[in-house]
Amino acid sequence: DGGITQSPKYLFRKEGQNVTLSCEQNLNHDAMYWYRQDPGQGLRLIYYSQIVNDFQKGDIAEGYSVSREKKESFPLTVTSAQKNPTAFYLCASSPLPYGGRMNTEAFFGQGTRLTVV
Amino acid sequence: AQKITQTQPGMFVQEKEAVTLDCTYDTSDPSYGLFWYKQPSSGEMIFLIYQGSYDQQNATEGRYSLNFQKARKSANLVISASQLGDSAMYFCAMRVTDSGYALNFGKGTSLLVTP
Repeated sequence: DGGITQSPKYLFRKEGQNVTLSCEQNLNHDAMYWYRQDPGQGLRLIYYSQIVNDFQKGDIAEGYSVSREKKESFPLTVTSAQKNPTAFYLCASSPLPYGGRMNTEAFFGQGTRLTVV
Repeated sequence: AQKITQTQPGMFVQEKEAVTLDCTYDTSDPSYGLFWYKQPSSGEMIFLIYQGSYDQQNATEGRYSLNFQKARKSANLVISASQLGDSAMYFCAMRVTDSGYALNFGKGTSLLVTP
């Protein structure tokens, strides 16, 4: 089945440790996104990528890094510089809009819940 | 800057009744798309409905309809005949041309459907 797979579902990080969250899609979408969700809050954009080997910072990129070496994959690394990493992380992908129409929905993975211990 | 505002942190509705979830937006981009997503307690994001800035008709998808008032910059979600399974967080989101066409989300409304 086509979709987006995030792993792991739960992740525990020690202080000062880098961790990497996986995101893979087989929908052939050009665009991929990483969001962070804190309790009772909406989703905030961390990084996005529209094409392989290119990515851009979103609203809250500090303490995070990404790569886009393959169209299907967009891993997120939470570095030790991220002071408050405990959150729910969602990866999404979508086709890029064309012809000025914005109706291409974003498809989301199941999310990764990261906790600092 | 683009902004989505959802002013209702929590809402209650009785089963089989209709409920309206409010959403206002702010953008200077003439081309934009408005989306509603449902997030159950499991955390997945489920797409419900879409409205484009140039669409003349209000969008409908089954029990979901979108009350789009462009001049007021509002895009309220109407759920008819509520069901217990509708209990979830609901997010309004907007897509514009910047940030790689990323969706910009509001803070959400928690809906509880009671028997």
